[in-house]
Amino acid sequence: GQQVMQIPQYQHVQEGEDFTTYCNSSTTLSNIQWYKQRPGGHPVFLIQLVKSGEVKKQKRLTFQFGEAKKNSSLHITATQTTDVGTYFCAGPWANKLIFGTGTLLAVQP
Amino acid sequence: SAVISQKPSRDICQRGTSLTIQCQVDSQVTMMFWYRQQPGQSLTLIATANQGSEATYESGFVIDKFPISRPNLTFSTLTVSNMSPEDSSIYLCSARTGALNSPLHFGNGTRLTVT
Repeated sequence: GQQVMQIPQYQHVQEGEDFTTYCNSSTTLSNIQWYKQRPGGHPVFLIQLVKSGEVKKQKRLTFQFGEAKKNSSLHITATQTTDVGTYFCAGPWANKLIFGTGTLLAVQP
Repeated sequence: SAVISQKPSRDICQRGTSLTIQCQVDSQVTMMFWYRQQPGQSLTLIATANQGSEATYESGFVIDKFPISRPNLTFSTLTVSNMSPEDSSIYLCSARTGALNSPLHFGNGTRLTVT
Protein backbone atom coordinates (compact mmCIF):
# COMPACT_ATOMS: atom_id res chain seq x y z
CA GLY A 1 0.00 0.00 0.00
CA GLN A 2 0.89 3.63 -0.20
CA GLN A 3 3.23 5.07 2.42
CA VAL A 4 3.89 8.72 3.12
CA MET A 5 6.88 9.61 5.26
CA GLN A 6 7.87 12.95 6.72
CA ILE A 7 11.10 14.25 8.16
CA PRO A 8 11.95 15.40 10.67
CA GLN A 9 9.59 13.89 13.24
CA TYR A 10 10.20 16.80 15.56
CA GLN A 11 11.79 20.23 15.25
CA HIS A 12 12.42 22.76 17.96
CA VAL A 13 13.27 26.30 16.82
CA GLN A 14 13.71 29.73 18.32
CA GLU A 15 11.08 32.22 17.32
CA GLY A 16 12.23 33.95 14.15
CA GLU A 17 14.11 30.95 12.77
CA ASP A 18 13.01 29.16 9.63
CA PHE A 19 11.51 25.68 9.52
CA THR A 20 11.14 23.06 6.79
CA THR A 21 9.40 19.71 6.74
CA TYR A 22 9.79 17.20 3.93
CA CYS A 23 7.25 14.71 2.69
CA ASN A 24 7.99 11.62 0.57
CA SER A 25 5.52 9.22 -0.99
CA SER A 26 6.18 5.66 -2.09
CA THR A 27 4.03 6.28 -5.17
CA THR A 28 3.39 9.11 -7.61
CA LEU A 29 0.58 11.35 -6.40
CA SER A 30 -2.13 13.14 -8.32
CA ASN A 31 -1.99 15.85 -5.67
CA ILE A 32 -0.61 16.53 -2.22
CA GLN A 33 -2.44 18.20 0.64
CA TRP A 34 -1.06 19.81 3.79
CA TYR A 35 -2.80 20.00 7.14
CA LYS A 36 -1.95 21.62 10.46
CA GLN A 37 -2.99 20.21 13.80
CA ARG A 38 -2.63 22.47 16.81
CA PRO A 39 -1.99 20.78 20.18
CA GLY A 40 -5.28 19.33 21.38
CA GLY A 41 -6.98 20.21 18.11
CA HIS A 42 -8.01 18.50 14.92
CA PRO A 43 -6.28 18.63 11.52
CA VAL A 44 -7.11 21.72 9.48
CA PHE A 45 -6.56 21.89 5.74
CA LEU A 46 -3.89 24.35 4.60
CA ILE A 47 -3.35 23.86 0.90
CA GLN A 48 -3.45 21.48 -2.05
CA LEU A 49 -0.80 21.18 -4.77
CA VAL A 50 -1.63 19.53 -8.06
CA LYS A 51 0.95 20.34 -10.71
CA SER A 52 4.45 18.97 -11.02
CA GLY A 53 6.92 21.51 -9.63
CA GLU A 54 4.15 23.71 -8.26
CA VAL A 55 5.01 26.32 -5.64
CA LYS A 56 2.37 28.09 -3.55
CA LYS A 57 2.72 30.66 -0.82
CA GLN A 58 0.52 31.58 2.11
CA LYS A 59 2.10 34.54 3.90
CA ARG A 60 5.19 33.05 5.58
CA LEU A 61 4.45 29.48 4.39
CA THR A 62 5.84 28.16 1.10
CA PHE A 63 4.70 24.82 -0.27
CA GLN A 64 6.40 22.89 -3.07
CA PHE A 65 5.40 19.81 -5.05
CA GLY A 66 8.26 17.86 -6.56
CA GLU A 67 8.80 17.44 -10.27
CA ALA A 68 8.17 13.70 -10.03
CA LYS A 69 5.07 14.31 -7.86
CA LYS A 70 6.41 11.98 -5.19
CA ASN A 71 7.66 14.54 -2.69
CA SER A 72 6.71 17.87 -1.23
CA SER A 73 7.96 20.39 1.28
CA LEU A 74 6.60 23.07 3.58
CA HIS A 75 8.86 25.95 4.56
CA ILE A 76 7.98 28.50 7.20
CA THR A 77 9.96 31.73 7.22
CA ALA A 78 10.58 33.49 10.53
CA THR A 79 8.52 31.20 12.74
CA GLN A 80 6.13 32.57 15.32
CA THR A 81 4.68 30.93 18.40
CA THR A 82 1.38 30.62 16.56
CA ASP A 83 3.07 28.19 14.15
CA VAL A 84 3.30 25.54 16.89
CA GLY A 85 1.65 22.25 15.97
CA THR A 86 2.00 19.15 13.87
CA TYR A 87 2.16 19.50 10.10
CA PHE A 88 0.91 16.60 8.02
CA CYS A 89 1.14 16.03 4.32
CA ALA A 90 -1.47 13.71 2.83
CA GLY A 91 -1.79 11.95 -0.48
CA PRO A 92 -4.82 10.43 -2.18
CA TRP A 93 -5.10 6.68 -2.56
CA ALA A 94 -8.23 5.41 -4.31
CA ASN A 95 -10.98 7.53 -2.74
CA LYS A 96 -9.11 7.88 0.53
CA LEU A 97 -6.53 10.21 1.97
CA ILE A 98 -3.37 8.74 3.48
CA PHE A 99 -1.62 10.95 5.99
CA GLY A 100 2.10 11.30 6.40
CA THR A 101 3.87 10.61 9.65
CA GLY A 102 3.83 14.29 10.58
CA THR A 103 6.34 16.82 11.88
CA LEU A 104 5.83 18.38 15.28
CA LEU A 105 7.05 21.97 15.41
CA ALA A 106 7.88 23.59 18.73
CA VAL A 107 8.70 27.31 18.78
CA GLN A 108 10.48 28.84 21.73
CA PRO A 109 9.72 32.53 22.30
CA SER B 1 -16.50 24.79 4.38
CA ALA B 2 -18.37 22.19 6.43
CA VAL B 3 -18.82 22.20 10.19
CA ILE B 4 -18.59 18.77 11.73
CA SER B 5 -20.03 18.13 15.18
CA GLN B 6 -18.69 15.08 16.92
CA LYS B 7 -19.75 13.74 20.28
CA PRO B 8 -18.86 12.85 22.88
CA SER B 9 -15.69 14.92 22.96
CA ARG B 10 -14.18 12.58 25.49
CA ASP B 11 -15.10 9.56 27.56
CA ILE B 12 -13.61 7.17 30.06
CA CYS B 13 -14.93 3.64 29.66
CA GLN B 14 -14.44 0.30 31.33
CA ARG B 15 -12.97 -2.57 29.40
CA GLY B 16 -15.53 -4.85 27.82
CA THR B 17 -18.05 -2.09 27.21
CA SER B 18 -18.89 -0.31 23.94
CA LEU B 19 -19.02 3.36 23.00
CA THR B 20 -20.82 4.93 20.07
CA ILE B 21 -19.45 8.15 18.62
CA GLN B 22 -21.72 10.38 16.59
CA CYS B 23 -20.77 12.66 13.73
CA GLN B 24 -23.07 15.26 12.19
CA VAL B 25 -22.15 17.47 9.23
CA ASP B 26 -23.94 20.72 8.58
CA SER B 27 -23.98 20.32 4.80
CA GLN B 28 -24.22 17.58 2.24
CA VAL B 29 -21.07 15.58 1.87
CA THR B 30 -19.79 13.20 -0.74
CA MET B 31 -17.77 10.95 1.53
CA MET B 32 -17.27 10.37 5.25
CA PHE B 33 -14.34 8.70 6.94
CA TRP B 34 -13.32 7.60 10.41
CA TYR B 35 -9.70 7.93 11.54
CA ARG B 36 -7.86 6.92 14.68
CA GLN B 37 -4.98 8.90 16.13
CA GLN B 38 -2.80 7.53 18.90
CA PRO B 39 -1.16 10.23 21.07
CA GLY B 40 1.72 11.82 19.20
CA GLN B 41 1.07 9.74 16.10
CA SER B 42 -0.36 10.25 12.65
CA LEU B 43 -3.89 9.55 11.52
CA THR B 44 -4.79 5.98 10.59
CA LEU B 45 -7.86 5.42 8.45
CA ILE B 46 -10.31 2.98 10.01
CA ALA B 47 -12.99 2.93 7.34
CA THR B 48 -14.99 4.78 4.75
CA ALA B 49 -18.59 5.23 5.86
CA ASN B 50 -20.88 4.48 2.93
CA GLN B 51 -24.39 5.82 2.85
CA GLY B 52 -26.97 3.09 3.15
CA SER B 53 -24.51 0.23 2.88
CA GLU B 54 -21.73 -1.46 4.80
CA ALA B 55 -18.62 0.56 5.50
CA THR B 56 -15.36 -0.19 3.71
CA TYR B 57 -12.73 -1.16 6.27
CA GLU B 58 -8.98 -0.77 6.05
CA SER B 59 -6.58 -3.57 6.77
CA GLY B 60 -6.46 -4.29 10.48
CA PHE B 61 -9.96 -3.03 11.22
CA VAL B 62 -13.08 -5.21 11.20
CA ILE B 63 -16.79 -4.58 11.34
CA ASP B 64 -17.36 -6.61 14.50
CA LYS B 65 -14.96 -4.40 16.42
CA PHE B 66 -15.81 -1.05 14.77
CA PRO B 67 -19.36 -1.15 13.41
CA ILE B 68 -20.18 1.97 11.42
CA SER B 69 -23.49 3.35 10.29
CA ARG B 70 -24.30 6.09 7.82
CA PRO B 71 -28.07 6.30 7.44
CA ASN B 72 -27.99 9.53 5.42
CA LEU B 73 -25.58 11.90 3.70
CA THR B 74 -24.75 13.99 6.74
CA PHE B 75 -24.67 11.62 9.72
CA SER B 76 -22.50 8.70 10.76
CA THR B 77 -21.70 6.72 13.88
CA LEU B 78 -18.69 4.67 14.89
CA THR B 79 -18.96 2.13 17.68
CA VAL B 80 -15.90 0.85 19.48
CA SER B 81 -16.99 -2.57 20.74
CA ASN B 82 -15.77 -4.73 23.58
CA MET B 83 -13.16 -2.15 24.46
CA SER B 84 -9.72 -2.85 25.83
CA PRO B 85 -7.03 -0.39 26.99
CA GLU B 86 -5.41 -0.70 23.53
CA ASP B 87 -8.45 1.10 22.11
CA SER B 88 -7.56 4.24 24.05
CA SER B 89 -7.05 6.83 21.35
CA ILE B 90 -8.54 9.84 19.61
CA TYR B 91 -11.22 8.98 17.06
CA LEU B 92 -11.81 11.54 14.32
CA CYS B 93 -14.73 11.87 11.95
CA SER B 94 -13.99 13.54 8.63
CA ALA B 95 -15.95 14.47 5.55
CA ARG B 96 -15.37 15.54 2.00
CA THR B 97 -17.83 18.03 0.55
CA GLY B 98 -16.39 18.35 -2.93
CA ALA B 99 -15.08 16.27 -5.76
CA LEU B 100 -12.82 13.28 -5.45
CA ASN B 101 -9.51 14.19 -3.81
CA SER B 102 -10.84 17.47 -2.48
CA PRO B 103 -9.73 18.34 1.07
CA LEU B 104 -11.15 16.79 4.22
CA HIS B 105 -12.90 18.56 7.06
CA PHE B 106 -12.54 17.10 10.54
CA GLY B 107 -14.61 16.98 13.66
CA ASN B 108 -13.02 17.92 16.98
CA GLY B 109 -12.42 14.28 17.79
CA THR B 110 -13.38 11.95 20.61
CA ARG B 111 -10.70 11.26 23.20
CA LEU B 112 -11.35 7.76 24.50
CA THR B 113 -9.70 6.28 27.57
CA VAL B 114 -10.35 2.65 28.42
CA THR B 115 -9.54 1.51 31.94
